[in-house]
Amino acid sequence: AQKITQTQPGMFVQEKEAVTLDCTYDTSDQSYGLFWYKQPSSGEMIFLIYQGSYDEQNATEGRYSLNFQKARKSANLVISASQLGDSAMYFCAMSRSGYSTLTFGKGTMLLVSP
Amino acid sequence: DTGVSQDPRHKITKRGQNVTFRCDPISEHNRLYWYRQTLGQGPEFLTYFQNEAQLEKSRLLSDRFSAERPKGSFSTLEIQRTEQGDSAMYLCASRTGIGQTNTGELFFGEGSRLTVL
Repeated sequence: AQKITQTQPGMFVQEKEAVTLDCTYDTSDQSYGLFWYKQPSSGEMIFLIYQGSYDEQNATEGRYSLNFQKARKSANLVISASQLGDSAMYFCAMSRSGYSTLTFGKGTMLLVSP
Repeated sequence: DTGVSQDPRHKITKRGQNVTFRCDPISEHNRLYWYRQTLGQGPEFLTYFQNEAQLEKSRLLSDRFSAERPKGSFSTLEIQRTEQGDSAMYLCASRTGIGQTNTGELFFGEGSRLTVL
């Protein structure tokens, strides 16, 4: 079975600073995918970034980067230059290769202050 | 708006009543998913369709829950004899099934929030 652990219930960051949201995972699969989603107060889950287990480079998408450490089974999200609009819940998720069903963590609430 | 749409956005019902939620996925997406999210938790997988076929169901989907996607387009999720524990946000998501890449993101709707009194 797959499991995602997000140990930070809440994080605070000042605008324009960088923040790291932690995610560790547990799986016996060799091939898997790791995702980060953002959920603002409206409720919609917004895809941010993806990392495949065999990808050698850390994924980056604009201000988002994924710090993938396979041996430690961690997939931390780094948001550079935080903006007020980044305030939201952030979920780490994973899927088994070939299966698109996602297993989510409990999430981290990020608050960005001016 | 061509995103995933869900209806109703909010539903308040009394215990024991039946409720039905509808999801309209992105038109070219042949895969459709239902998730449930309770307060303080991440979304939990309920069931998944590829076209009209229901290919996977979570053990969370009790006998009181039924989902359909009759023509491979929109889907409905019905909860019979609702219980207070059914109070949650019900999220629908879709994606294209083209290719076997695992990079395919799920596109989520804004959810249907159910409150059972």
